Amino acid sequence: EPEVTQTPSHQVTQMGQEVILRCVPISNHLYFYWYRQILGQKVEFLVSFYNNEISEKSEIFDDQFSVERPDGSNFTLKIRSTKLEDSAMYFCASILTVGYEQYFGPGTRLTVT
Amino acid sequence: RKEVEQDPGPFNVPEGATVAFNCTYSNSASQSFFWYRQDCRKEPKLLMSVYSSGNEDGRFTAQLNRASQYISLLIRDSKLSDSATYLCAAKNAGGTSYGKLTFGQGTILTVHP
Repeated sequence: EPEVTQTPSHQVTQMGQEVILRCVPISNHLYFYWYRQILGQKVEFLVSFYNNEISEKSEIFDDQFSVERPDGSNFTLKIRSTKLEDSAMYFCASILTVGYEQYFGPGTRLTVT
Repeated sequence: RKEVEQDPGPFNVPEGATVAFNCTYSNSASQSFFWYRQDCRKEPKLLMSVYSSGNEDGRFTAQLNRASQYISLLIRDSKLSDSATYLCAAKNAGGTSYGKLTFGQGTILTVHP
């Protein structure tokens, strides 16, 4: 069964550094999402991406964040200058169309020190 | 008011018990609803979609009441392996929504021998 994959599984970085989290969505899917979950809190929507552009973003997704689909298979989330409060699990998800259920990748645990 | 609200629990039940979780949503534009299961530090995994007519999958039954903006999940004959956090999620449809999910904070279930 096809699945969403994410790398790395755990990333440790220092405050102020840039990080890039990578996702490979399911191959024929068209809509892509990033969510985050701070430890002990709920899963929160960050951004959706369709047709090579951001289609919706939350208040969390400020100028420090960007997304890209550089090569038709990878979907990346970049945080330009990490803060301590960016420490969280980051989940990628994809769907074929908006009417379908979302499938999540295993997540990247980001620790900012 | 939170857009999707769940009783966080925890629910501690013996094997074989029946347990019910509730979820309310405040956005009347929400069109689709889902129950996800999340194990510790893992990704949300889709358990079932929730339909107005109610739906059942083995020991799991989900119900949606649009008039009361209320969703429920019933688990019968609980197994030890059902221990997890259960997430309620709502999705808007159409307009400027591109299928983002809004999650509740999750309900923790522990099934003991």
